[in-house]
Amino acid sequence: DIVMTQSPVSLPVTPGEPASISCRSSQSLLHSNGYNYLDWYLQKPGQSPQLLIYLGSSRASGAPDRFSGGGSGSDFTLKISRVEAEDVGVYYCMQALETPYTFGQGTKLEIK
Amino acid sequence: QVQLQESGPGLVKPSETLSLTCTVSGDSINNYYWSWIRQPPGKGLEWIGYIYSTGNTNYNPSLKSRVTISIDTSKNQFSLELNSVTTADTAVYYCARGYDILTPWGQGTLVTVSS
Repeated sequence: DIVMTQSPVSLPVTPGEPASISCRSSQSLLHSNGYNYLDWYLQKPGQSPQLLIYLGSSRASGAPDRFSGGGSGSDFTLKISRVEAEDVGVYYCMQALETPYTFGQGTKLEIK
Repeated sequence: QVQLQESGPGLVKPSETLSLTCTVSGDSINNYYWSWIRQPPGKGLEWIGYIYSTGNTNYNPSLKSRVTISIDTSKNQFSLELNSVTTADTAVYYCARGYDILTPWGQGTLVTVSS
């Protein structure tokens, strides 16, 4: 199975400041079609996860443009340009290159 | 817009079968993939498997011997069965549309395995 490792585990951020979450995979997620099969999800408190970014860098419909995804191969980053209070929750990366699809352990973003 | 709703017993005894249904509203279940994911209390997410509207399935090998996902296009529903459950199967179970890009998700349903 592909192992997904996120850092940091906890991320305290001041509103208005940027934030960055790292996700690394145990093998490359770059498909021969040129796409990276890496998604980002946000699970807000008491809610189900919601898609933020797919295929490494494509923003999901409805996701604010302050969220951006980057990276390739086995090293990926989710960036928030200016954190807002509504961004609190646990962020997960998920590889969808091969089954079984696997998730990172999560990064909990909290407001300072 | 499409909405998903999980339903089923919230309590299952050890060694019995966990059965859940996901009802899709706002769109047809046809021509899409549909997935199940679970989350033990206070823990991370685990992919269980997916089904296409034609009935083709793909399961997590860690659960493959115990899991069955089926679909009823006439009812716009798909289902999860997990047999021989143990306390380790206690989790919130989510259904979602898609397989490699999961959106949207249902609200989730907590299933507790206990005697």
